[in-house]
Amino acid sequence: SAVISQKPSRDICQRGTSLTIQCQVDSQVTMMFWYRQQPGQSLTLIATANQGSEATYESGFVIDKFPISRPNLTFSTLTVSNMSPEDSSIYLCSVVSELSYNEQFFGPGTRLTVL
Amino acid sequence: RKEVEQDPGPFNVPEGATVAFNCTYSNSASQSFFWYRQDCRKEPKLLMSVYSSGNEDGRFTAQLNRASQYISLLIRDSKLSDSATYLCVVNGGDYKLSFGAGTTVTVRA
Repeated sequence: SAVISQKPSRDICQRGTSLTIQCQVDSQVTMMFWYRQQPGQSLTLIATANQGSEATYESGFVIDKFPISRPNLTFSTLTVSNMSPEDSSIYLCSVVSELSYNEQFFGPGTRLTVL
Repeated sequence: RKEVEQDPGPFNVPEGATVAFNCTYSNSASQSFFWYRQDCRKEPKLLMSVYSSGNEDGRFTAQLNRASQYISLLIRDSKLSDSATYLCVVNGGDYKLSFGAGTTVTVRA
């Protein structure tokens, strides 16, 4: 299975600031995604991180608010921009590994609190 | 209407009991189906895929009814370690997963 790490694991941020979350995988993967899990809720897909090109965003999410980079097949970043308390959430990256019969694995998540 | 709807529970059962719950999905074009398990403050982990013919993995049995757009999970001989939130997950295509809100199961001694 793919081993995924995320940094930071948690952070407390002030309103109006931005935070960049990193996702690192121990092997090359075909697809990477970013999800959000708001308190007491299930996961919602934010975007597909495309290697070498702009991310593909789901309805309700825009690049200006959640810019995403994916410079190679093992690394991606998600930035939460101009944060407000409503952005307090757990942010998880996930990957699809062809080596594991296309099972989707999730990173440990980044717990973000915006004051 | 939510894409994936689940009975939230909670299901509070004694050890050794059988517990079953289900979910429905709205997109008839959905391609694949899963049950994930999420422990408190942890990331979701794949429990099992769900196939049209139904499938078992030890004490866990999953069923899919495409006509009714309905997925179920049954846990036999419940263990304390089965206590978790079970997420019904649907792949609408291109590995984009839609998650249900989760069903909470608590197994008591």
